[in-house]
Amino acid sequence: DTAVSQTPKYLVTQMGNDKSIKCEQNLGHDTMYWYKQDSKKFLKIMFSYNNKELIINETVPNRFSPKSPDKAHLNLHINSLELGDSAVYFCASSHPGTANTGELFFGEGSRLTVL
Amino acid sequence: GNSVTQMEGPVTLSEEAFLTINCTYTATGYPSLFWYVQYPGEGLQLLLKATKADDKGSNKGFEATYRKETTSFHLEKGSVQVSDSAVYFCALKNQGGKLIFGQGTELSVKP
Repeated sequence: DTAVSQTPKYLVTQMGNDKSIKCEQNLGHDTMYWYKQDSKKFLKIMFSYNNKELIINETVPNRFSPKSPDKAHLNLHINSLELGDSAVYFCASSHPGTANTGELFFGEGSRLTVL
Repeated sequence: GNSVTQMEGPVTLSEEAFLTINCTYTATGYPSLFWYVQYPGEGLQLLLKATKADDKGSNKGFEATYRKETTSFHLEKGSVQVSDSAVYFCALKNQGGKLIFGQGTELSVKP
């Protein structure tokens, strides 16, 4: 069974559209994250939630809005998509005991292409 | 600020060759250091870690030693296999801080 699952795996859309990516983890973890990986494989954190509360919010345009309905889910909604939003978005989670040790569990990624 | 720098890829090796992927870091305090691996089409997974100076992390034949004097955490493997082809990420984390990744190094192992 997949521990951290993201949908959709691929998303192709036009500039200006609004889209969402969903993430669910069945590991019982309290903390979830969204990372953005650009075309050069550089990986940067966007948001982190702990038990449905926002704890990390990097300098991300406010077109990006994360939502955590419960601690097992962290969705990412993007408004008014731009070409530069094309990337692979990774969801991840961590257990309280491992959050401080840096061990994150990643989903398989959602590749977003904006045309 | 905190940052991680890795050697540029892609790195192409023949099977059974020796692998080194360099990683250096800049950090305040005493961070924990990590190597993550991303196999094609998959998410990242933790490969090994070291939490203090002179610690050696090891897993699946890979090793890395936390060198405080040179602020380095180079990844090594004595004999690579085709199945090791992946992107490798070095990362650091300060107490209570974020996990910060290097830019990734792509490894391609040819039979």
